[in-house]
Amino acid sequence: SQTIHQWPATLVQPVGSPLSLECTVEGTSNPNLYWYRQAAGRGLQLLFYSVGIGQISSEVPQNLSASRPQDRQFILSSKKLLLSDSGFYLCAWSVGSSWETQYFGPGTRLLVL
Amino acid sequence: DQQVKQNSPSLSVQEGRISILNCDYTNSMFDYFLWYKKYPAEGPTFLISISSIKDKNEDGRFTVFLNKSAKHLSLHIVPSQPGDSAVYFCAVLSSNTGKLIFGQGTTLQVKP
Repeated sequence: SQTIHQWPATLVQPVGSPLSLECTVEGTSNPNLYWYRQAAGRGLQLLFYSVGIGQISSEVPQNLSASRPQDRQFILSSKKLLLSDSGFYLCAWSVGSSWETQYFGPGTRLLVL
Repeated sequence: DQQVKQNSPSLSVQEGRISILNCDYTNSMFDYFLWYKKYPAEGPTFLISISSIKDKNEDGRFTVFLNKSAKHLSLHIVPSQPGDSAVYFCAVLSSNTGKLIFGQGTTLQVKP
């Protein structure tokens, strides 16, 4: 069966520090991978998606970036965090053209102070 | 510019009664609609979906209704159970872009 892992579960970082969140998927090949952010009182906002290794599409201009160094690994990064980067970050995957059914990881709660 | 809106941030219902969660969207080109359920500190899980060619889809206690003319989507839970207490997100999919757009979520509390 497929599983998706995210770490860390919780992170507290000072403003201006770098960020690296990792997401890995097991039990499937060539998944579509997504990074979402849920800010307080808001819905899930799509940040990045990837249909293959090295292929990244950015949805919202910001100081975040994403990379996909391996088929089942998706990394969200920042060189310098802003206060507004605080939120709940979710990684998700889907297979093939099944954009409609996405499976989410447990999420990382990021607090920037 | 929010294309998907859930205007009720919270809803409280007694156990055994019906829960109705609502969602409005702006773009008539959306052709697939979904509901996700999210518990605290967990990722959302897919609950139920409906395509634009239907107006109703039922799965056990959960029924989704689609009113295309009103651009309105609703989720009915009957009977509601305390374990249904969670945040419910509606989402829409445009097959043109292949992306999901989520609403803000509605927190449902089912009281025993």
